[in-house]
Amino acid sequence: AQTVTQSQPEMSVQEAETVTLSCTYDTSESNYYLFWYKQPPSRQMILVIRQEAYKQQNATENRFSVNFQKAAKSFSLKISDSQLGDTAMYFCAFERSQGGSEKLVFGKGTKLTVNP
Amino acid sequence: EPEVTQTPSHQVTQMGQEVILRCVPISNHLYFYWYRQILGQKVEFLVSFYNNEISEKSEIFDDQFSVERPDGSNFTLKIRSTKLEDSAMYFCASRGRGNEKLFFGSGTQLSVL
Repeated sequence: AQTVTQSQPEMSVQEAETVTLSCTYDTSESNYYLFWYKQPPSRQMILVIRQEAYKQQNATENRFSVNFQKAAKSFSLKISDSQLGDTAMYFCAFERSQGGSEKLVFGKGTKLTVNP
Repeated sequence: EPEVTQTPSHQVTQMGQEVILRCVPISNHLYFYWYRQILGQKVEFLVSFYNNEISEKSEIFDDQFSVERPDGSNFTLKIRSTKLEDSAMYFCASRGRGNEKLFFGSGTQLSVL
């Protein structure tokens, strides 16, 4: 079974600074997808970024980028130029690449607070 | 961007009562899911549904739970006899094909008193 571990329950950062959220996972699969989801106080699940394990290039989406280390099974999220609206819970998630109705396996989340 | 719609946004019920949570997935999607999040905890998979049958279910999804896609547009989660520990946010999600982007609804907060 796959597991996802987020070792930082809470983090804070000053507005405009850079912050990195950690995530490690355990799997015996060779092909899979990794995700970061943002959950603001409204509790909606918002996809931040997605990484395909067979792609060596790290995914980026504007101010959000990942550091994907497949051998180390590590998938960290870097948020540059942090904004007050980035304050939220961030969940790392794993999905097998089998096609079909694969489920997401989530970590416990990191609560990020951006301070003015 | 298309949306997954969930109703109601908040439902309060008495312990032992039946509840039905409703979802309208995106119209051309084929794979449907329910996830649950107890307040302050991680999001947990409940069940996946494809081709009018359950593909996979978790240990949480016991005999008290059932899912249905009665009319080709709605996707429902029924809890037959609610317990206090069923209080949680329930998210519906859908996708067009396997491993495509998963679209989440905005959730139904279920409170069991």
